[in-house]
Amino acid sequence: GQSLEQPSEVTAVEGAIVQINCTYQTSGFYGLSWYQQHDGGAPTFLSYNGLDGLEETGRFSSFLSRSDSYGYLLLQELQMKDSASYFCAALGSGNTGKLIFGQGTTLQVKP
Amino acid sequence: KAGVTQTPRYLIKTRGQQVTLSCSPISGHRSVSWYQQTPGQGLQFLFEYFSETQRNKGNFPGRFSGRQFSNSRSEMNVSTLELGDSALYLCASSLVAGEAFFGQGTRLTVV
Repeated sequence: GQSLEQPSEVTAVEGAIVQINCTYQTSGFYGLSWYQQHDGGAPTFLSYNGLDGLEETGRFSSFLSRSDSYGYLLLQELQMKDSASYFCAALGSGNTGKLIFGQGTTLQVKP
Repeated sequence: KAGVTQTPRYLIKTRGQQVTLSCSPISGHRSVSWYQQTPGQGLQFLFEYFSETQRNKGNFPGRFSGRQFSNSRSEMNVSTLELGDSALYLCASSLVAGEAFFGQGTRLTVV
């Protein structure tokens, strides 16, 4: 089977840094993606880690450690608009679009 | 460049009816995946099509089916609707594995 675990809720203040962790158990694993979803909106692609290490995209960074079956999304200089749900998703193989999603982490940014 | 377009945006159907949802992927994207999103189960993979062939299938009953046309547009069909099929149905297209771009979804309500 395949499952991904992430915290259900995280709260932080504007300007702070927050890390959302994701641990996975999958029968096949190729990489880890992160998506943001605002209430009433569609999931938006943030980043993909196909290799171990850190990927940085502006205020957002994502990390993967295959040996620990673990990844995280790091959000810096938090803004109110970052309040949303964040999902990690495992890619089962390199030649497929099938993503297995975690249950999502609701991030609330307070002033 | 146009994003992923899903139609219709909202739909109300009666138990026992069938429904067809449509998805137009980003131009050049040949992989189209469908997901069901509910508050209780989160984002669940339905199936993926690539070059008019179903490449992956999730753990849903046979009432859920789909197809892809030569222009990469995709449709999914749900027959004999049940109350539990009420959900947001999301379509995503991909060019690169792990990077999925979602449409706004079709919110289906079964009454």
